[in-house]
Amino acid sequence: AQKITQTQPGMFVQEKEAVTLDCTYDTSDQSYGLFWYKQPSSGEMIFLIYQGSYDEQNATEGRYSLNFQKARKSANLVISASQLGDSAMYFCAMREGRHSNYQLIWGAGTKLIIKP
Amino acid sequence: NAGVTQTPKFQVLKTGQSMTLQCAQDMNHNSMYWYRQDPGMGLRLIYYSASEGTTDKGEVPNGYNVSRLNKREFSLRLESAAPSQTSVYFCASSGPGVRATRDGYTFGSGTRLTVV
Repeated sequence: AQKITQTQPGMFVQEKEAVTLDCTYDTSDQSYGLFWYKQPSSGEMIFLIYQGSYDEQNATEGRYSLNFQKARKSANLVISASQLGDSAMYFCAMREGRHSNYQLIWGAGTKLIIKP
Repeated sequence: NAGVTQTPKFQVLKTGQSMTLQCAQDMNHNSMYWYRQDPGMGLRLIYYSASEGTTDKGEVPNGYNVSRLNKREFSLRLESAAPSQTSVYFCASSGPGVRATRDGYTFGSGTRLTVV
C-alpha cells in the first residue's frame, strides 16, 4: 500500500492565486514527521517545511504553510500568493519513528505550473 | 558553503561499464543516503548509511554497492551498468537530533546518468 499519496500529478494555477497541493499518508506510528520539498527544473531538492505529528500548530515558513489534519492523515501544502518561480515539482515525504537515523518515504510528486 | 557535494554531474556509460559516484558532506552529519529518481516518480532509496561504518540496503539496491569511506564520504558504485540504471542519482545527508529531523535532508545537486 502507498504510504504517501499525492493525487495531483499536475496543476496549473494563475499567478498570485493561492494553491493547495494534496498529500495523504499512512502510518501506524504515533511519532512521525512530514516534509515538503521543491524541485525546480534545475533539479536540486529544496526543503520547504516540516510538521511533526505532535506539533499542535500548523507549520508555516513564509508563503508556505502546512494544513495538517491528523485524523484524516493529510498534510497539504499551501502556497499563498503564488509566483512564477514557484513552478516546480513538489514532493511530500514522511519520516516514521523516533530514531534520528530515519528514512524518508516519498510521494510521486505534483508538478505545479504557475501561469502569468 | 557547507553542504553535500556530488560528482560527477553528468555521465554517459556503455552497458557493462563500471563507475563510482562520489558524495561528500561537510556538515558533520551522521547519516547519508543514495537515491535514484526516475521520470514521473519520487525518490527511491538505494542504500543508506546510518552512521560511519554501517551501510544498509534500501528499496532498490540491486546492481549497486556502496562504501562509507569515513564520516564525510559515501560512494555509490555501479559494477556493470545497465540501461535500467539510467536515472538521476541524489546523495543526501542528515544529522542527529530533533533539530536535524526538522531540517530534513540536505541533498546534493544530483548526477544525471545515462547508460546506452
